[in-house]
Amino acid sequence: QVQLQESGPGLVKPSETLSLTCTVSGGPTSAYAWNWIRQPPGKGLEWIAYIYDSGNTNYNPSLKSRLSISRDPSKNQFSLKLSSVTAGDTAIYYCARGYFGSGLYYYYYMDVWGKGTTVTVS
Amino acid sequence: SSELTQDPAVSVALGQTVRITCQGDSLRDYYASWFQQNPGQAPVLVIYGNNNRPSGIPDRFSGSRSGDTASLTITGAQAEDEADYYCSSRDSSNNHVLFGGGTKLAVL
Repeated sequence: QVQLQESGPGLVKPSETLSLTCTVSGGPTSAYAWNWIRQPPGKGLEWIAYIYDSGNTNYNPSLKSRLSISRDPSKNQFSLKLSSVTAGDTAIYYCARGYFGSGLYYYYYMDVWGKGTTVTVS
Repeated sequence: SSELTQDPAVSVALGQTVRITCQGDSLRDYYASWFQQNPGQAPVLVIYGNNNRPSGIPDRFSGSRSGDTASLTITGAQAEDEADYYCSSRDSSNNHVLFGGGTKLAVL
């Protein structure tokens, strides 16, 4: 079955750039949106961004000015770069597979998640 | 508004039925999806689309919608259902993904 694995440094200094990669294994990457989500300690989930294989992207407006996501279909990987980090960016970062569809109403759900990687800004 | 609102905490007696709600304008266009998150673990999808359950999710979990509100119902709550639950959808005006603030479910 499809599995996702986040990777990257666990510690980033303030004002530097956080870089993470998500590797997709066991399934195709086309037709899905590949998401980044984060969860600060003791808090809820925050969507960061997604990217399609086509390269189309969508960013959380609160992070957009510091954010860049990209993908490498040949490696089945997609990546996140968040610049000028502060302690407020300390969180568990997850990648997840998203699917959009429509019927009587639209639906968008994220059915496969990575285990998450903890990033501390200090 | 592009927010999803959930009650912070809900409790249910063991074996009883509990409903967790999620309210937001985006839910007029989108079905909500629901996630269960246990401490130290990644979220797990439990309901998506028109009341669909991924493989392995017990049928005591169900979803419904009415207007701008979506509900997750657990019929016959079990001790292992004690967890945080998050709703999610997308804003049809800009395709931004939305999460509710989460509901902590206590099974008494």
